[in-house]
Amino acid sequence: SQTIHQWPATLVQPVGSPLSLECTVEGTSNPNLYWYRQAAGRGLQLLFYSVGIGQISSEVPQNLSASRPQDRQFILSSKKLLLSDSGFYLCAWSVPIETQYFGPGTRLLVL
Amino acid sequence: GEDVEQSLFLSVREGDSSVINCTYTDSSSTYLYWYKQEPGAGLQLLTYIFSNMDMKQDQRLTVLLNKKDKHLSLRIADTQTGDSAIYFCAEILSGTYKYIFGTGTRLKVLA
Repeated sequence: SQTIHQWPATLVQPVGSPLSLECTVEGTSNPNLYWYRQAAGRGLQLLFYSVGIGQISSEVPQNLSASRPQDRQFILSSKKLLLSDSGFYLCAWSVPIETQYFGPGTRLLVL
Repeated sequence: GEDVEQSLFLSVREGDSSVINCTYTDSSSTYLYWYKQEPGAGLQLLTYIFSNMDMKQDQRLTVLLNKKDKHLSLRIADTQTGDSAIYFCAEILSGTYKYIFGTGTRLKVLA
């Protein structure tokens, strides 16, 4: 069966510090991978998605970036965090045009 | 536009039925989904419906699809306190790998 992992679960970082969030998927090959951000009490904002190794589509211009160094690994990064980067970050995977499955999320607080 | 709309809040008494509504945007969407999010957790797939179906029933859950009005609903029979959560509808934009999520409906079940 397929599983999706995210870490860390919770992160508190100062403004201006770098960020690296990791997502890995097990039990499937060549998945589509997604990063979403959910602000407190709000819906999901699609940040990035990837349909293959090294391929990244960016949905929202911002100080975040994503990379996919391996087939089942998706990384969300920032060189300098802003206060507005606080939120709940969700990674998800899907087989193309089928159901999307979510990881447990990382709660990021930027102070 | 790409806004999937849902009412923000719904409150029901334990044992009653809950109906959560969603208006989606893409009449060509192949799949439409309902997800449940409990506090501090990722999104859990509840059910989905193919666009060529009008209704799907899965135990206490009934999904109704009105393609003409681009309206999707989720009915939860015999609602329990454990059903308290945020419910998101979602669609895949045709011709893309993008999933568009509604704003979420916070369901509160009163004992």
